[in-house]
Amino acid sequence: GNSVTQMEGPVTLSEEAFLTINCTYTATGYPSLFWYVQYPGEGLQLLLKATKADDKGSNKGFEATYRKETTSFHLEKGSVQVSDSAVYFCALSEGAGKSTFGDGTTLTVKP
Amino acid sequence: EAGVAQSPRYKIIEKRQSVAFWCNPISGHATLYWYQQILGQGPKLLIQFQNNGVVDDSQLPKDRFSAERLKGVDSTLKIQPAKLEDSAVYLCASSLEGSRDYGYTFGSGTRLTVV
Repeated sequence: GNSVTQMEGPVTLSEEAFLTINCTYTATGYPSLFWYVQYPGEGLQLLLKATKADDKGSNKGFEATYRKETTSFHLEKGSVQVSDSAVYFCALSEGAGKSTFGDGTTLTVKP
Repeated sequence: EAGVAQSPRYKIIEKRQSVAFWCNPISGHATLYWYQQILGQGPKLLIQFQNNGVVDDSQLPKDRFSAERLKGVDSTLKIQPAKLEDSAVYLCASSLEGSRDYGYTFGSGTRLTVV
């Protein structure tokens, strides 16, 4: 079956540091890949997506590239802010839209 | 555009009681999902609707969970009787279509505590 593995957290960074959150997946077909973010006290929000190999998704300064050869979709940001503190979920979707999620990575950014 | 509405936000019940959650998706979204998120884990699919038909309910514990989506709009998820292990956040999400290329819009969730 499908699965998503994220780097374990929590991750603590200083403001303006470089962020990488690793995500690898196992899928039977050709999935689309997503990153969702959950800010404190809020619901999950779609952050970015990529629907085919070598596509790069980007939003709010975050980027992730769909790497089929390494089955990865790592999330990166060049300079994090305190407001980026949240839980980040990597997910894949196949077929009729059913999604499989990773267990989330908690990011804390300190001023 | 209005988001996905869920109610209640919080619910505390005793084991063996019943509980129901309500969801109203974004207008025009044909696909509706219910996910269960246990603390420290990612969301797990319970059931997927396309309009008012069930697409996937393979992970729904049908001996105690039921869900319906009348008229292809809002949906209700019920648990009867509840167990301690049902304590979780129940998330409703909707999508324009049931396709792998569309992401979800999530509601704020209902946090259920079974004591």
